[in-house]
Amino acid sequence: NAGVTQTPKFQVLKTGQSMTLQCAQDMNHNSMYWYRQDPGMGLRLIYYSASEGTTDKGEVPNGYNVSRLNKREFSLRLESAAPSQTSVYFCASSENQFAEAFFGQGTRLTVV
Amino acid sequence: AQTVTQSQPEMSVQEAETVTLSCTYDTSESDYYLFWYKQPPSRQMILVIRQEAYKQQNATENRFSVNFQKAAKSFSLKISDSQLGDAAMYFCAYRLNSGGSNYKLTFGKGTLLTVNP
Repeated sequence: NAGVTQTPKFQVLKTGQSMTLQCAQDMNHNSMYWYRQDPGMGLRLIYYSASEGTTDKGEVPNGYNVSRLNKREFSLRLESAAPSQTSVYFCASSENQFAEAFFGQGTRLTVV
Repeated sequence: AQTVTQSQPEMSVQEAETVTLSCTYDTSESDYYLFWYKQPPSRQMILVIRQEAYKQQNATENRFSVNFQKAAKSFSLKISDSQLGDAAMYFCAYRLNSGGSNYKLTFGKGTLLTVNP
């Protein structure tokens, strides 16, 4: 069972570069999320998609955009990467807002 | 705004012994879920146990159990018969179960558990 798959697992960017983090789930979940994890901060919600066709800002959305491409896929885009965006990024999905969230394995992003 | 506090940045336990990780939270709501997630060195976030606020009975999953004190807003995790594989970062998390904010998991900062052989 693949569950939630994120690509890439590691990435190094230069300041100002852009990139898209990909996320796909094969559990037919309606809701998908992007979190970032920083040392000593726990995980913080960047954006979420309650269902296909909808996206909403979370706690720390500045500097990011998202696309819910279809029910399976939810991508996170950094248009102009900054060192403050160095973090580990997690994608997650859940059947609905009442169900548990399943997480991908994370993407470690370094912006230099 | 809801907050989750884990006051123990690090804990250690001897193999086969019992350890309790603390978590307190602040909310004015009555309908919510609480979770404990485990993050081993592989980085994967794994759900350990969850508790619905309306259920008075404490949740149990094999060697993992919680002590949920709703009035005190406390949600501790007890790991019995600790194993080397239990070594990980543990996160306490809260999610509102109603209204427009119920998609967001609010996490504590984590407790790093070391298991000594």
